[in-house]
Amino acid sequence: GAGVSQSPSNKVTEKGKDVELRCDPISGHTALYWYRQSLGQGLEFLIYFQGNSAPDKSGLPSDRFSAERTGGSVSTLTIQRTQQEDSAVYLCASSLDSGTGKNEQFFGPGTRLTVL
Amino acid sequence: AQKITQTQPGMFVQEKEAVTLDCTYDTSDPSYGLFWYKQPSSGEMIFLIYQGSYDQQNATEGRYSLNFQKARKSANLVISASQLGDSAMYFCAMREDPISSGSARQLTFGSGTQLTVLP
Repeated sequence: GAGVSQSPSNKVTEKGKDVELRCDPISGHTALYWYRQSLGQGLEFLIYFQGNSAPDKSGLPSDRFSAERTGGSVSTLTIQRTQQEDSAVYLCASSLDSGTGKNEQFFGPGTRLTVL
Repeated sequence: AQKITQTQPGMFVQEKEAVTLDCTYDTSDPSYGLFWYKQPSSGEMIFLIYQGSYDQQNATEGRYSLNFQKARKSANLVISASQLGDSAMYFCAMREDPISSGSARQLTFGSGTQLTVLP
């Protein structure tokens, strides 16, 4: 079946511009996560959605970052007024739910963001 | 303190040999899960193996096994009969499972080990 998909695969933007990154989770997965992977910081958790519950935004690095998940499926991560330190690969993952047990997270191919 | 520590930035192994990738973790939650992911140069994270904190036996998945030593808080990945396609970055990750409902169950990752399999 289809895995997690993300678009665009690459995004180059100028400092100060806003960008939107999209994630399509695996059908039927209620939990969705955004992570960021950068050379200096490794893999960092950003935000988590579970069903219709309020998202956990505890990992967002600043108020320039926001995310939404429409209809419990597709999610969009928005970065406003991008800075050069936002350059990274943004990874989306989904899991069946947020329960215990294996419940592994399946990752998308990522969006490589470059801020000039 | 780091929650997940991978002390080997790079490892080399001869094809067909076994290799162990180290991972130690730190948590005060009694319930947690430990995961290993592989990230080839293509960039996609591939799930390999899972160990639950209450599992009595070490997890195995084909050529992958997890050497789980709970008292020492270590969860080393063992790859047997290495293949050239095993060359990749390997990440150890932990998911803490607190009792409180609604808690995010995000993964905390180590810094990774770059494994190179030599022909």
